[in-house]
Amino acid sequence: SAVISQKPSRDICQRGTSLTIQCQVDSQVTMMFWYRQQPGQSLTLIATANQGSEATYESGFVIDKFPISRPNLTFSTLTVSNMSPEDSSIYLCSVEGGGTGVYNEQFFGPGTRLTVL
Amino acid sequence: AQTVTQSQPEMSVQEAETVTLSCTYDTSESDYYLFWYKQPPSRQMILVIRQEAYKQQNATENRFSVNFQKAAKSFSLKISDSQLGDAAMYFCASQEAAGNKLTFGGGTRVLVKP
Repeated sequence: SAVISQKPSRDICQRGTSLTIQCQVDSQVTMMFWYRQQPGQSLTLIATANQGSEATYESGFVIDKFPISRPNLTFSTLTVSNMSPEDSSIYLCSVEGGGTGVYNEQFFGPGTRLTVL
Repeated sequence: AQTVTQSQPEMSVQEAETVTLSCTYDTSESDYYLFWYKQPPSRQMILVIRQEAYKQQNATENRFSVNFQKAAKSFSLKISDSQLGDAAMYFCASQEAAGNKLTFGGGTRVLVKP
């Protein structure tokens, strides 16, 4: 499986500020995904990030609030902008396949726990 | 759009016993994939087992097996010989095609009693 790292692992931020979360994969992947997991809830997809194109956002998520970069095939960032306490969640990145040649399997990073005061 | 439903918020099992987690889904696609993920307190999402919809044979991975009933759109997970390390949240998920997003159910918390 792919090895995925995320930075930071956790952070406590003040409302109105922004935080950028990094996701690094140990192999080249075409598709990367960003999910949000609110406290005690399931995972919800924020957007899909393909290298060389704009991210595709799910209903309820907008680029101004969650800008995403995908500069190459092993790296992506998610920014949570103008944060409010409602943004307190775990943010996870995932990749499809991950150099294993096994598609239709998504592997997840360890997540970033964000608390907004 | 796909939907995934897990009707059991929490299940408790005695160590070495068997527990079955329920999952139902809805999709209009004929080609799709189903998954069970485990999320321990470390919050790392771990793929437990996957099933291709076109395969009639139920997937198995060591102590984990599924009962895939395509007509009923049911995809249950059986954990045999439960171990303390199996305690976690378990999420059922569906994917319509390669490269598409995962749609998750609400999760089932599994407690393992020694």
